Amino acid sequence: DTEVTQTPKHLVMGMTNKKSLKCEQHMGHRAMYWYKQKAKKPPELMFVYSYEKLSINESVPSRFSPECPNSSLLNLHLHALQPEDSALYLCASSQEGAGSLQPQHFGDGTRLSIL
Amino acid sequence: GQQLNQSPQSMFIQEGEDVSMNCTSSSIFNTWLWYKQDPGEGPVLLIALYKAGELTSNGRLTAQFGITRKDSFLNISASIPSDVGIYFCAGQAPGAQKLVFGQGTRLTINP
Repeated sequence: DTEVTQTPKHLVMGMTNKKSLKCEQHMGHRAMYWYKQKAKKPPELMFVYSYEKLSINESVPSRFSPECPNSSLLNLHLHALQPEDSALYLCASSQEGAGSLQPQHFGDGTRLSIL
Repeated sequence: GQQLNQSPQSMFIQEGEDVSMNCTSSSIFNTWLWYKQDPGEGPVLLIALYKAGELTSNGRLTAQFGITRKDSFLNISASIPSDVGIYFCAGQAPGAQKLVFGQGTRLTINP
């Protein structure tokens, strides 16, 4: 069982819908991450939050909007997505700030399908 | 940007065989991580390495942080069916906030 919990596990949405992905960790980690993973590829970094502040945006389109309400929660708000956005979206967390050497721990992801 | 070359891309072995895979980089890293990912799940951390030359074991898994800080290998001894999956190496460069991932090694085991 992973200590990073992601909901929902699966999501199917139309291109005009608005939905949110949620991630929660109770390990006291202060850095949280969003990744996108396509089949048979490694995870690609999207966003990094360090001490609840956005520290990295990897030039992600604005139809993806991250939010970190507190140190345990990370959301990814989705709006007007495209079919090519269908992928596994992974959340991860690590101890201390994002520049530390502590390893990232991943959730099981949300499988997103855009119709 | 930085890239990691992970090899082999795939392996087809018999149960009980030993497995070896590695990652190399053109630049140095302060941390090397090895993850395993099963279908429908997120990557699970297997071993973390923090010092050049460090050799660390986790059960049947052994990983080493290369002396040059530009490479790492993962060995699995006496493979079993549950070892099937995709193995990713990942490195973190000095002062960097993000990981660089290898392309993965897909392990298939014939019983």
